[in-house]
Amino acid sequence: GAGVSQTPSNKVTEKGKYVELRCDPISGHTALYWYRQSLGQGPEFLIYFQGTGAADDSGLPNDRFFAVRPEGSVSTLKIQRTERGDSAVYLCASSLNKENTEAFFGQGTRLTVV
Amino acid sequence: AQRVTQPEKLLSVFKGAPVELKCNYSYSGSPELFWYVQYSRQRLQLLLRHISRESIKGFTADLNKGETSFHLKKPFAQEEDSAMYYCALSRSGGSNYKLTFGKGTLLTVNP
Repeated sequence: GAGVSQTPSNKVTEKGKYVELRCDPISGHTALYWYRQSLGQGPEFLIYFQGTGAADDSGLPNDRFFAVRPEGSVSTLKIQRTERGDSAVYLCASSLNKENTEAFFGQGTRLTVV
Repeated sequence: AQRVTQPEKLLSVFKGAPVELKCNYSYSGSPELFWYVQYSRQRLQLLLRHISRESIKGFTADLNKGETSFHLKKPFAQEEDSAMYYCALSRSGGSNYKLTFGKGTLLTVNP
């Protein structure tokens, strides 16, 4: 595809449910990032993948959050036992590699926990 | 800890007027600074980065290490510049993955 694709674009879920958010990076991009943007805030770093491995997951807020990238392309962000405070726009970005290259962002998934 | 501060949540100017969006940062090392822009109903995109030292869409930004600032400037604002602007910081050395963003400034350019 032409850019980073995220699905779904919107997700409404009930408190306590499990959700999965998907990110399709630009083809050939080895680096992939997840950010979370709460209302009125800038994006906040969650996790970074280089290839299949999570090189830095220091931004994940707690153990309810987990992300995978099993084949080094598509990534899934998984949230267990969702809470209302998890409501935010989840952004995915990819870059050719982590060194001196532009990160291209997806449109984001707006998650609402009711 | 690294921090980016954008003191203005909203900024409104008239077309043709100069515009300056302020960004201050705190970081113990030598940072790389970026400006990202999000136009209405579009995705976040890179506008410029300080290491490139280039002008994009008439915008420039100079890194002032003494004042720890990276203000974005344009001498003559255009209506199409209306957007949300985010200043961001990462560690130097090309590792741009872990960006720290400010809260953003919504720029409105009036006709």
